[in-house]
Amino acid sequence: GDSVTQMEGPVTLSEEAFLTINCTYTATGYPSLFWYVQYPGEGLQLLLKATKADDKGSNKGFEATYRKETTSFHLEKGSVQVSDSAVYFCALTRGGATNKLIFGTGTLLAVQP
Amino acid sequence: DAGVTQSPTHLIKTRGQQVTLRCSPKSGHDTVSWYQQALGQGPQFIFQYYEEEERQRGNFPDRFSGHQFPNYSSELNVNALLLGDSALYLCASSLWGRRNTGELFFGEGSRLTVL
Repeated sequence: GDSVTQMEGPVTLSEEAFLTINCTYTATGYPSLFWYVQYPGEGLQLLLKATKADDKGSNKGFEATYRKETTSFHLEKGSVQVSDSAVYFCALTRGGATNKLIFGTGTLLAVQP
Repeated sequence: DAGVTQSPTHLIKTRGQQVTLRCSPKSGHDTVSWYQQALGQGPQFIFQYYEEEERQRGNFPDRFSGHQFPNYSSELNVNALLLGDSALYLCASSLWGRRNTGELFFGEGSRLTVL
């Protein structure tokens, strides 16, 4: 079945460091890929998405490129801030009417000043 | 514009009891999905409702049931609670069919503790 694998955390970085959180997926066909973020005490919210191969999703300085050849969707940010501290989830959907999401286990990012 | 609202935010039950969680979708949305997020894990899909019918179901036992009302709000019911049902229960809303952008809007969740 479909699945998402993402790097385990926690990831601890200093402010202004470069961030990469790896995500790979297993799915037939052409799923849409997402990164959701969960800030402390808040609900999940969409960070960025890509719906076809080679698409790059971007938002708030974060980027991820849909690589079908490596079945990956790694999240990157050039310079993290303390306010980026959160749990990041990679997810996929096959699309269609139900748009059921399949999530990875999440990666906790802690940014220190 | 109200987002997705869930109630209660926290609750404690004992094994064997029953629980009902409630969700109001984002204004304009007609589809509600429920997810279970165990501690340290990603959310797992429970089921989805549209037009007051269950449209898809994940790998959860029949103890988990739901309902959607004409105003699109939804309830999640869990019977015969087990310790393993302790989790954060997330409600997500979206649009059905071709209007669906692929994005789900999540509430803050209901944290259930089973003792």
